[in-house]
Amino acid sequence: SYELTQPLSVSVALGQTARINCEGNNIGTKDVHWYQQKPGQAPVLVIYGNTNRPSGIPERFSASNSGNTATLTISRAQVGDEADYSCQVWDDSTMVFGGGAKLTVL
Amino acid sequence: QVQLQESGPGLVKPSETLSLTCTVSGGSISSGSYYWGWVRQRPGEGLEWIGNIHYNGNTFYNPSVKSRLTMSVDASKNQFSLRLTSVTAADTAVYYCARRGMIVTVRGAFDIWGQGTMVTVSS
Repeated sequence: SYELTQPLSVSVALGQTARINCEGNNIGTKDVHWYQQKPGQAPVLVIYGNTNRPSGIPERFSASNSGNTATLTISRAQVGDEADYSCQVWDDSTMVFGGGAKLTVL
Repeated sequence: QVQLQESGPGLVKPSETLSLTCTVSGGSISSGSYYWGWVRQRPGEGLEWIGNIHYNGNTFYNPSVKSRLTMSVDASKNQFSLRLTSVTAADTAVYYCARRGMIVTVRGAFDIWGQGTMVTVSS
């Protein structure tokens, strides 16, 4: 079965750029979606189809996908960006989530 | 604006059946453009996809629960449901229902989520 690997935690200084990786075999050939989940809340879609932002998601959120790594980038990180971020793909009729990475803004 | 709301018992005994319903408001489950899904999250863990269903009955299930899982749609009530048999403590989780958006708009991502409902499996 397909697996997605994310770091358990990522830290970023306030106002700096955070990068959260999602690793999977040839993930660059797949559509990757990213979700933000704050404590006690449901996930929110922040990136779909590798690089696209839904309406209402700040331009500070961007992403890329190539080779074996997809990356979510959060520019000018704010305290309000602290959350768990999960990547997700569709593989062989199965939806797969990464384990989630906890972003801490210092 | 489409909204989803989960409902069902918060406590289920081991070996029994977990049944949850998701009510769709602000839109029709029969629109044909979407799949409707369930995702769960065990305490302290990541998201786990359970399965998706189309209003025409077409389903996709996670192999890890496929033998115990049945999903269904009641278009007259604008609801879809999950039924998971022979539950154990490992099925204790927050269960979310979600809409899988259209390929042409969000590339099939889950674009709308319910608030989630906690289900505990315990005697």
